[in-house]
Amino acid sequence: SQQGEEDPQALSIQEGENATMNCSYKTSINNLQWYRQNSGRGLVHLILIRSNEREKHSGRLRVTLDTSKKSSSLLITASRAADTASYFCASEGFQKLVFGTGTRLLVSP
Amino acid sequence: GAVVSQHPSWVICKSGTSVKIECRSLDFQATTMFWYRQFPKQSLMLMATSNEGSKATYEQGVEKDKFLINHASLTLSTLTVTSAHPEDSSFYICSASGGGVGTDTQYFGPGTRLTVL
Repeated sequence: SQQGEEDPQALSIQEGENATMNCSYKTSINNLQWYRQNSGRGLVHLILIRSNEREKHSGRLRVTLDTSKKSSSLLITASRAADTASYFCASEGFQKLVFGTGTRLLVSP
Repeated sequence: GAVVSQHPSWVICKSGTSVKIECRSLDFQATTMFWYRQFPKQSLMLMATSNEGSKATYEQGVEKDKFLINHASLTLSTLTVTSAHPEDSSFYICSASGGGVGTDTQYFGPGTRLTVL
């Protein structure tokens, strides 16, 4: 399977703490994207980092990409209860997205 | 902008019947649409890619005759689950890319939950 892997599978933190999720993928990519999915809902695109970029910021999100290790990380700073969701990385190559296994984040008030 | 809708949002059907799910790009022209399925607490798996006016490209292991995809216009793609069985129960999500929104980003619909009794 070409599916990427994410860890941890589940993460439980308190509001205000930072959350870090890691993603590994298997093939060459054009870019890597992160999505959020609230329970039973569609996906929300969070951020895209291209293969020639190493780090990218968007608001409280920070994404890193290490193509030599085929890995990426997503950091959510100063988390809020509203950040509770599942987070998926998706590697894009040949115009197809391959999703990781996902991290379920629970942020408690 | 870049809104994708799906209809219906949920459907329950009897085993053996066929179900059609629509995916529409509301404010852009989608040259390419994608269909995914997601089992509970699992990730999204790509089923097929469709380009407007041409046949869909199915991923390995996805039955073409069971999951019929039609991309008849730049704003509409349909997925028909033929002779549905309980194991087809899943969350089906479409996405669309193309036009002015950029080809790198896929915009996802809200999903359709299919339950086959």
